[in-house]
Amino acid sequence: AQSVTQLGSHVSVSEGALVLLRCNYSSSVPPYLFWYVQYPNQGLQLLLKYTTGATLVKGINGFEAEFKKSETSFHLTKPSAHMSDAAEYFCAVSGGSNYKLTFGKGTLLTVNP
Amino acid sequence: NAGVTQTPKFQVLKTGQSMTLQCAQDMNHNSMYWYRQDPGMGLRLIYYSASEGTTDKGEVPNGYNVSRLNKREFSLRLESAAPSQTSVYFCASQWGGALEHEQYFGPGTRLTVT
Repeated sequence: AQSVTQLGSHVSVSEGALVLLRCNYSSSVPPYLFWYVQYPNQGLQLLLKYTTGATLVKGINGFEAEFKKSETSFHLTKPSAHMSDAAEYFCAVSGGSNYKLTFGKGTLLTVNP
Repeated sequence: NAGVTQTPKFQVLKTGQSMTLQCAQDMNHNSMYWYRQDPGMGLRLIYYSASEGTTDKGEVPNGYNVSRLNKREFSLRLESAAPSQTSVYFCASQWGGALEHEQYFGPGTRLTVT
């Protein structure tokens, strides 16, 4: 079985500040890890993913995430927040069962001017 | 390419009514999925289809049925809607069903059951 825990259902930062969204996973097999973003009233779109290889993964819009196997974590960061980053962010894991993604409950990011 | 399309975008039903949510993808993906999204719950898998001709239950299948009409289309049916099925429904597709490939999502259907 696999699971995802996103710490903090709501994170608020100031424009220009560091963004850190936390994700911990549980998987009985080597995981594939994803971050998706959902803007208001839209579907989800992929920010970045980790499959194999380099543990620091860069995605769109300046986001990156680091896979840390020893900590079972895949935290999402961005050095400087923009107002346009305000959205809900979902961490997801696959690998335990064929064809299925398991999502965390999401973190709503608010960016204050 | 339109990607993943869903119809309708909004729907209001009365308890006991039935309806079908439609989903189509033009990316030649083998796998398709239906999720529901509720506040604070993330996305929960209702049903999925690993390939044309196959469907399987996900985490929350009760009250729903699906049909994989062909490779492009995957529909979700509510036979007798209940207020607990008020939610936002997302369809997604994935190339090949390989675990490392991302899923592509449609814009969602907002369903209210009164």
